[in-house]
Amino acid sequence: NAGVMQNPRHLVRRRGQEARLRCSPMKGHSHVYWYRQLPEEGLKFMVYLQKENIIDESGMPKERFSAEFPKEGPSILRIQQVVRGDSAAYFCASSSGRRVDTQYFGPGTRLTVL
Amino acid sequence: AQTVTQSQPEMSVQEAETVTLSCTYDTSESDYYLFWYKQPPSRQMILVIRQEAYKQQNATENRFSVNFQKAAKSFSLKISDSQLGDAAMYFCASNTGANSKLTFGKGITLSVRP
Repeated sequence: NAGVMQNPRHLVRRRGQEARLRCSPMKGHSHVYWYRQLPEEGLKFMVYLQKENIIDESGMPKERFSAEFPKEGPSILRIQQVVRGDSAAYFCASSSGRRVDTQYFGPGTRLTVL
Repeated sequence: AQTVTQSQPEMSVQEAETVTLSCTYDTSESDYYLFWYKQPPSRQMILVIRQEAYKQQNATENRFSVNFQKAAKSFSLKISDSQLGDAAMYFCASNTGANSKLTFGKGITLSVRP
């Protein structure tokens, strides 16, 4: 009865490298949301995906960030050429998409950029 | 656009006592949902309670209950018989239902004194 899974839990990158964060939704869920939490802040929405489709990317930075949710496999949040300001906790949530719906969160990936 | 405001950064409660965490929100939508999430030191986001705006009855989950004042756009969380394990950050959040992003407040740190 696995919940939302994210890996890695901790990721360290040097400035200019790429970071790939993975999220496997709960069984039966086909909707995935990515959120970012900066230190001492609440979570901020980044992007909402369904299988093979980006539904809402209004919270994604215009450059260096991309997300996908392929037909098979986990959702991926990709950050190219990371900078120190990208250091944060990145959370993935999944939902079933039914009308009365709840998003269930994974444990998060803590990204540290040196 | 939705906004969620948590104006108290910290609160403290004696074990076994009752504490109320405040939250206000603003939305132009008629159909929306309100949530309280708990984030313990492990940083996992855990759903505490959910309220559908169209329901007049306040939601209750064991020791947790809400005071939902729709006209005042207020959504406070009451924790009864506080336990040491309740110590965490608590986030108030809202969305407009299924397939929509969550908007979070900045959170409140709750400490429980033994």
